[in-house]
Amino acid sequence: DGGITQSPKYLFRKEGQNVTLSCEQNLNHDAMYWYRQDPGQGLRLIYYSQIVNDFQKGDIAEGYSVSREKKESFPLTVTSAQKNPTAFYLCASSPMGGHVETQYFGPGTRLLVL
Amino acid sequence: AQSVTQLGSHVSVSEGALVLLRCNYSSSVPPYLFWYVQYPNQGLQLLLKYTSAATLVKGINGFEAEFKKSETSFHLTKPSAHMSDAAEYFCAAQGGSEKLVFGKGTKLTVNP
Repeated sequence: DGGITQSPKYLFRKEGQNVTLSCEQNLNHDAMYWYRQDPGQGLRLIYYSQIVNDFQKGDIAEGYSVSREKKESFPLTVTSAQKNPTAFYLCASSPMGGHVETQYFGPGTRLLVL
Repeated sequence: AQSVTQLGSHVSVSEGALVLLRCNYSSSVPPYLFWYVQYPNQGLQLLLKYTSAATLVKGINGFEAEFKKSETSFHLTKPSAHMSDAAEYFCAAQGGSEKLVFGKGTKLTVNP
């Protein structure tokens, strides 16, 4: 069954701590994306990657970092520099990152600050 | 830059009534347009997309949307609401070489 998995479903972060959110896809898609969702704000793009070992900043990249060492994996690290990390984080993928392509979404990770 | 406006952050309808969720985009270039649905604590699922082939686009679960260039709109409709339609709906647009831009969402409540 092809799809996108995100783990964990819930994640708690302490002050000054870095945390990493996992995103894996078995759709053989080239492009992957990370979005942040806040109530009433819609989705905002954090980072995206169209090919292994390459990624670009989105609209709200500050305080976040990513890596793309494998085609199927695109982990997101929320660093201690992100002062307001509480949000719902969604990972998505699309075949080649071009126009008109549907983005397929994972089930999300909810990050909470202790 | 592309922007998407969804009129009404909350819409409430009775079961069996017409569903109308509004979406307007801003672009000098006709964009590609999408409607996604999100159930609580889940990811987004594509309902339908406009790719300049036909102005009336049919999607899953009985939803459809009509692209109106003169009004820069892409409103989502369903003739008869079902309780299972209760969710949050997002309109998104992609123009030229830009990335996908989402509206802020409309939460649909269906009353019995």
